[in-house]
Amino acid sequence: RKEVEQDPGPFNVPEGATVAFNCTYSNSASQSFFWYRQDCRKEPKLLMSVYSSGNEDGRFTAQLNRASQYISLLIRDSKLSDSATYLCVVNLSNSGYALNFGKGTSLLVTP
Amino acid sequence: DADVTQTPRNRITKTGKRIMLECSQTKGHDRMYWYRQDPGLGLRLIYYSFDVKDINKGEISDGYSVSRQAQAKFSLSLESAIPNQTALYFCATSDYLGQGPDTQYFGPGTRLTVL
Repeated sequence: RKEVEQDPGPFNVPEGATVAFNCTYSNSASQSFFWYRQDCRKEPKLLMSVYSSGNEDGRFTAQLNRASQYISLLIRDSKLSDSATYLCVVNLSNSGYALNFGKGTSLLVTP
Repeated sequence: DADVTQTPRNRITKTGKRIMLECSQTKGHDRMYWYRQDPGLGLRLIYYSFDVKDINKGEISDGYSVSRQAQAKFSLSLESAIPNQTALYFCATSDYLGQGPDTQYFGPGTRLTVL
């Protein structure tokens, strides 16, 4: 079983739509959680950390469900510029060396 | 100027050649990492270093070596490149302060092709 699993997509949505991605992780001892965004052939960039209480940053909302071992990312009012691959990242500790990356979910926002 | 830089950005080489990929950072972070990314796979950790005197193997270190020349520089070497090392290589840095999540910042990547 892969440690971090994501639906690869692609998710094709019109501008203005709301879209949600889920990610599951296998190790219940995981400590910290992130969503990264990666544009084609570019480096991953931190979108947001995910906290147990859930957190929001503008149009983006992240949720963590430790009991079910999944993380979600909700994007409201999608923009063309949101088109990218979204990587779910899980850390076994709070220290960087144990990062596990999902393969990513591809989002395409269309006019 | 970018905080994390990688050179070269693209490289094509032949099987058996020695290749060095370089990473420099101006963020002042102690921790540096090398990853590779293959199509359809998540990023995988090759090596990491928590300070100049600390080097650790990651998930897929076979066929690679590293050197931490200074806090700001971390190099990845392929002693004898082989075709299945064709991939996109990323360097990353982080500055873990002992609490909270350890956020990593990535360089722009080096696209390596081994023929």
